[in-house]
Amino acid sequence: KAGVTQTPRYLIKTRGQQVTLSCSPISGHRSVSWYQQTPGQGLQFLFEYFSETQRNKGNFPGRFSGRQFSNSRSEMNVSTLELGDSALYLCASSTGTSGPETQYFGPGTRLLVL
Amino acid sequence: GIQVEQSPPDLILQEGANSTLRCNFSDSVNNLQWFHQNPWGQLINLFYIPSGTKQNGRLSATTVATERYSLLYISSSQTTDSGVYFCAVPLEYGNKLVFGAGTILRVKS
Repeated sequence: KAGVTQTPRYLIKTRGQQVTLSCSPISGHRSVSWYQQTPGQGLQFLFEYFSETQRNKGNFPGRFSGRQFSNSRSEMNVSTLELGDSALYLCASSTGTSGPETQYFGPGTRLLVL
Repeated sequence: GIQVEQSPPDLILQEGANSTLRCNFSDSVNNLQWFHQNPWGQLINLFYIPSGTKQNGRLSATTVATERYSLLYISSSQTTDSGVYFCAVPLEYGNKLVFGAGTILRVKS
C-alpha cells in the first residue's frame, strides 16, 4: 500500500497570507490527524477528522481549520499567517474504527512564514 | 492532561554501543507508540506497544503499564540510528496523541 502523502512538501508565505495543506491517507484509512512541530513547542495535536467530521481538536486558535472529503483526503488551512506558524506540519492516518491504534505519518510540509 | 517525559534528552554513542531510552507517562494508558524521526522530518513507526515486550531486529521495547513507563532498547547502534526518538500516548477518545519532547540520538562512526 502507498503511504501517507502530503503536499506541498515546502512552502514559503508572508505574514497575513493564508495557506492550505493537503494530506492523502493510506488507502482504507478513514481517520486523519494533523500535528504541528516547532523547536519550542515540540509536536502538538491540531485536530482529527473521521468520516468527514472533526472528532478531536487541540488548543489552537480559530485561524487553524481543516476538513475531510468523502475519499478521506484532508486539508488544513491557516489564515492570517503569523511568523510563529512557521513549522513542520505532519498528518497521520489510521483506520479510526477501533479506538487508539497505530498511526502512520506522512513526510510533512515545511512552512516558512516571512 | 497526561504528561509524557522522555530521558535522556540527548545521547551520543559510538557505533556498536547499546542504549536505553525511557518514556514516563503520568496516567494509565491503553496505547503507546515509539517513533524515529529521520533527518527529513518523517516520523517512522517503531513499535505499537501498550504493554509487554516486542522486538524488531536490533530494536526492542518494553512497556510496564502498571508502573507507567516504557523503554526502547537499541543494540549495536549504527550511524543510521541517529535522529530523534519520540514516544506518544493517546489522550481521550480517538487518535489524539500526546508526544514526549524526544531523545536526540547521535551515533558516531
